[in-house]
Amino acid sequence: EAGVAQSPRYKIIEKRQSVAFWCNPISGHATLYWYQQILGQGPKLLIQFQNNGVVDDSQLPKDRFSAERLKGVDSTLKIQPAKLEDSAVYLCASSLDQGTLGAPLHFGNGTRLTVT
Amino acid sequence: AQSVAQPEDQVNVAEGNPLTVKCTYSVSGNPYLFWYVQYPNRGLQFLLKYITGDNLVKGSYGFEAEFNKSQTSFHLKKPSALVSDSALYFCAVRDWQAGTALIFGKGTTLSESS
Repeated sequence: EAGVAQSPRYKIIEKRQSVAFWCNPISGHATLYWYQQILGQGPKLLIQFQNNGVVDDSQLPKDRFSAERLKGVDSTLKIQPAKLEDSAVYLCASSLDQGTLGAPLHFGNGTRLTVT
Repeated sequence: AQSVAQPEDQVNVAEGNPLTVKCTYSVSGNPYLFWYVQYPNRGLQFLLKYITGDNLVKGSYGFEAEFNKSQTSFHLKKPSALVSDSALYFCAVRDWQAGTALIFGKGTTLSESS
């Protein structure tokens, strides 16, 4: 079974520039998550999708962050414009249908973003 | 609100000795509890989970965890540590009634010496 794919692995941009991350979940996984992991902290949920609908985006800074999952499969997360404090690892995860609450999340290797 | 606490930033253990990584949680309903491990420059890997039933759950790589409802704890354990266990460990909780995504602790670095 192929895992969660993310690209790029690393990205360096200047503040006020824009950046986009891509994620392809495990085949058949209806639920997709984007987490932000700042150095020294645990992952923090940014947005959760169920198929192509948003379940929870309460912690997404909507003035600069956006995410979509148009066809219910892969997803993109965008930051525009970036700030220094956005430097972090952005993790994508997927799981079986949300109704299976005991299902673990499967994570990709993440995208490490550095904003200078 | 749901939360997870990992009181230790780092745990040091000698190879062959037993290890424990501590986790306490707070949820309004019944908890689903998880442990993940993260190696450098990698994503999180699932180790084990508690949903219901036996309070002692076994997972990957010889790890186990004990659920204690009265102490609201879910400590990760291993009888005999390996140098290769050195990594960052995260405890996470989901409130099954709220049906939310996993909430993670800040992580504990396990450092082992041979």
